[in-house]
Amino acid sequence: GAVVSQHPSRVICKSGTSVKIECRSLDFQATTMFWYRQFPKKSLMLMATSNEGSKATYEQGVEKDKFLINHASLTLSTLTVTSAHPEDSSFYICSARDWAVGLAGGRSTQYFGPGTRLTVL
Amino acid sequence: DQQVKQNSPSLSVQEGRISILNCDYTNSMFDYFLWYKKYPAEGPTFLISISSIKDKNEDGRFTVFLNKSAKHLSLHIVPSQPGDSAVYFCAASEAQGAQKLVFGQGTRLTINP
Repeated sequence: GAVVSQHPSRVICKSGTSVKIECRSLDFQATTMFWYRQFPKKSLMLMATSNEGSKATYEQGVEKDKFLINHASLTLSTLTVTSAHPEDSSFYICSARDWAVGLAGGRSTQYFGPGTRLTVL
Repeated sequence: DQQVKQNSPSLSVQEGRISILNCDYTNSMFDYFLWYKKYPAEGPTFLISISSIKDKNEDGRFTVFLNKSAKHLSLHIVPSQPGDSAVYFCAASEAQGAQKLVFGQGTRLTINP
């Protein structure tokens, strides 16, 4: 199946610093990637849709100036948590849709990365 | 507003028996449904999907059933194995736009030996 990687897998930072998380599709191209956040024992909440070459689309309640998304290529999207605070501590997961399947009119499955555990002290 | 609901937070099944996980949705625009399996501190792994034009899709031990009139889908795992123990999420998407997924709350499945 399709492989999506995330880096880093775990990061601990001080309050006020910024953290960048990378999401890569390794064996397919993705014009669309998604960023999710999961709180303990809760469901995955979509934060934003990352579109290659254009601005990300944020879900209601998600601060776009705090969670900066850049989708610079068909295989890479980054999420930067700016001026992180302890309440930003969470499990962040990205997913990617196969561009070729979507272009053909198919309903492409989202493949998820392994997630990044962010802890803000 | 929870558009996709998994009302059972946990389920315990004997090894070898059938596991049935349920999911309900409210948005009639959803036309594609997926099941994901997730272990702690890992991303979800895709299991099986179904389009609204079908009412059943089977892949090995996994079968998904869709009842559009009831806005209900279920995942059957048979026979259940200890390695199936995980949290299972159902998700749904609409045909238009980015086809973003809306997830249920998840059901923790435990298979007892």
